[in-house]
Amino acid sequence: KQEVTQIPAALSVPEGENLVLNCSFTDSAIYNLQWFRQDPGKGLTSLLLIQSSQREQTSGRLNASLDKSSGRSTLYIAASQPGDSATYLCAAVNTGNQFYFGTGTSLTVIP
Amino acid sequence: NAGVTQTPKFRVLKTGQSMTLLCAQDMNHEYMYWYRQDPGMGLRLIHYSVGEGTTAKGEVPDGYNVSRLKKQNFLLGLESAAPSQTSVYFCASSAHRGTGRNQPQHFGDGTRLSIL
Repeated sequence: KQEVTQIPAALSVPEGENLVLNCSFTDSAIYNLQWFRQDPGKGLTSLLLIQSSQREQTSGRLNASLDKSSGRSTLYIAASQPGDSATYLCAAVNTGNQFYFGTGTSLTVIP
Repeated sequence: NAGVTQTPKFRVLKTGQSMTLLCAQDMNHEYMYWYRQDPGMGLRLIHYSVGEGTTAKGEVPDGYNVSRLKKQNFLLGLESAAPSQTSVYFCASSAHRGTGRNQPQHFGDGTRLSIL
């Protein structure tokens, strides 16, 4: 069974800092890996999707990398802003289109 | 521009009562999912569907049933609610993988369910 771990569980940074969130998974036979953002009381919003054949994806200030062989993905956020404060979740997706989520990293960006 | 809509948003039940959660999507997606989210445990898949008329069990299916009679709707039923089913329930949908495009999941805003 796929196990997905996210470290740290919580992170607090001053505005403007660059930061990295980590995601690790135990089964490297994934179809893709996805990063989501969850605001309090809301559902998840998809941020980035990396296919298993890709190494990274970028969207604005966000960059996600994937190393399938080591079972790791990182989400890099450049020049953090208070509006980036949220919980970030990663999900490893298998070939049967089942999503296995980590427990998330709660990010607070201090103005 | 509704996306994925869940009803109701909140509900309080007594142990043993039954209820149905409704999920509707207007994106013509093939795949639909039901998750529960509990503190410290992340999202866990309850049931999912890869198309109209089909359903499959996820990681934590016991105590729940689902139906997908119409492509746009995915219903989650609790036959006899238990306090352990107190949780936030999320529905999601995604396009068929065969489209060749990226297929992120689109989520509803959740249903907060308390079982007393």
